[in-house]
Amino acid sequence: KQEVTQIPAALSVPEGENLVLNCSFTDSAIYNLQWFRQDPGKGLTSLLLIQSSQREQTSGRLNASLDKSSGRSTLYIAASQPGDSATYLCAVHNNNDMRFGAGTRLTVKP
Amino acid sequence: KAGVTQTPRYLIKTRGQQVTLSCSPISGHRSVSWYQQTPGQGLQFLFEYFSETQRNKGNFPGRFSGRQFSNSRSEMNVSTLELGDSALYLCASSLETGGLYGYTFGSGTRLTVV
Repeated sequence: KQEVTQIPAALSVPEGENLVLNCSFTDSAIYNLQWFRQDPGKGLTSLLLIQSSQREQTSGRLNASLDKSSGRSTLYIAASQPGDSATYLCAVHNNNDMRFGAGTRLTVKP
Repeated sequence: KAGVTQTPRYLIKTRGQQVTLSCSPISGHRSVSWYQQTPGQGLQFLFEYFSETQRNKGNFPGRFSGRQFSNSRSEMNVSTLELGDSALYLCASSLETGGLYGYTFGSGTRLTVV
């Protein structure tokens, strides 16, 4: 059974800092991995989707990497802004099953 | 293009009642999945529908059921509501089943059982 862990559970940084969020999974036989952000009480917004054959994906200030063999993914946020404050979730998809991590709650202070 | 639409946004129900939630996927998407999100358990998979057929089911009691129509819209029903069913219910749509194309989520329906 796939288990997904996100570290840290919460992170607070000053505006402008670069930061890394971590996601680890136990079963490396994945189809893809998707990063989402969730604002309080809202749905999930997709940030990046990495297929199992890819090593990384980039969108604007965001860069996500995937290392299947070690069961890890990172989400790098450059030049953080207060608007980046949200909970970030990674979801790992394999064998018709998608598992979410518990998320990292990010606060970017002005 | 329109995103995933969930209705209603908020619901308050009494224990023992039943409730039906609706999800309209992105146009052209044929897969709809449902999730329950609570502070204690996080996001948990309920079921996935594709081409009007349930493809996968999570570990929830039979009180939770769903269906998908020919236009890919999906409904989720919870019967005999319990206090513990209070949660944010999210649906996600995808082009095909299997998750190859990733998922797009709706804004959710916040269900409160009193």
